[in-house]
Formats: sequence, C-alpha cells, structure tokens
Amino acid sequence: ETGVTQTPRHLVMGMTNKKSLKCEQHLGHNAMYWYKQSAKKPLELMFVYNFKEQTENNSVPSRFSPECPNSSHLFLHLHTLQPEDSALYLCASSQVIGSTDTQYFGPGTRLTVL
Amino acid sequence: GQNIDQPTEMTATEGAIVQINCTYQTSGFNGLFWYQQHAGEAPTFLSYNVLDGLEEKGRFSSFLSRSKGYSYLLLKELQMKDSASYLCAVTDSNYQLIWGAGTKLIIKP
Repeated sequence: ETGVTQTPRHLVMGMTNKKSLKCEQHLGHNAMYWYKQSAKKPLELMFVYNFKEQTENNSVPSRFSPECPNSSHLFLHLHTLQPEDSALYLCASSQVIGSTDTQYFGPGTRLTVL
Repeated sequence: GQNIDQPTEMTATEGAIVQINCTYQTSGFNGLFWYQQHAGEAPTFLSYNVLDGLEEKGRFSSFLSRSKGYSYLLLKELQMKDSASYLCAVTDSNYQLIWGAGTKLIIKP
C-alpha cells in the first residue's frame, strides 16, 4: 500500500463536461504532484505544491486547474478537455521538494475524453 | 535539452537474469531512481543511486556510472510477477525529476 489514494480510478467525459480528480496522501508529506502519463512517453510533470503553495506549473493549459486545500489533499479540476488529454493522471507525494526524497504515487485516474 | 534513454521493451525467461539500461543527459545530477510500474497500477520505488557503484537489494541490483551517464537495473531469478514497466528517473541540478519513457519487461515461462 502506497499511502496515496486517487479517485475516481476511471473517468470518461465529453469535451464540454466539468469533472474533478481527487488525491489524498496519508504519509504526512508536504509536497504533492500531478503527472500525466501517456503511452510510451515519459511522465510529464504538471503541477507541484509545497506546503499547499503551488511552486511549479509546467506550461499546462488552463483547462487543467489544480487546487490544494491542505498538505494532504490535491485536486485537478477539468473543463473543456480535448481528446488528446486522454491519459493516466498520477498523483504523487514526497516529504519535501528540492531534495532527493522518494516520490510515492497513487494508482492514477485513467481519463478518456470523447 | 535533458534526455533519458531506455529500451522500449525487453523479453526474458522465468528464472533468468535481465539487465535494463538507462543513459541520461541532464543539467547536473543529484541522483537516479528506478521505479516499477505494473499495468494499471502506481509506480513504486525500487532503488536510488547517487554514488558510483552497485546497490544490491535482494533479487534487484542497480548500478551507476556518473562519468558515463549510465545506469542499469539488474533483475535476477526472474519471476512472472516481475512483468512490468521499469522507469528510470534522474534528479537534475534543480532537483527536478527527469523521467525516461520506461522499459516494458515481458517474462515468458
């Protein structure tokens, strides 16, 4: 058990829908991450939060909107997505950022945009 | 640019040994990670190397040569459950994790 949970595990949405992905970590970590994983491509870092403050936004389109209400919870709000946004979205956490701490991943949300 | 290279797919036989290579070109180096990811599951931490040499952990070993920008993951006594993708990632000078695309390992009986 990794201590990082994600819901839902699978999501199918139309291009006009609005949905949210949820991540929760039970490890007492201070940093949380959103990644996009597409087939046969490296993990793409999307957002990083450290002590609830966003420290990284890797040129992610505005149709992806993160929210971090506290150090244990992270959301990714989705609206007017495109079919090319279909991918596995992984949440991860680590003790701190700016270090070599191991990241612990959730199982991911498999997103399909029709 | 920053780049991590690893083979896309490898096949090995149950009980055998397999070596998965990873070469990297990054702006600085602060360590290299190997993660295992079974299909549909979370990546899980396998090993971390920051100094040159071999780190052994049970059936799995990881090697690093910083001068060559090279690492490998060695899996011994392969089991069917080792069928998974193996991800190589390097921490650069800004402590950003740079990821490879992963190597899908297929184990055959």
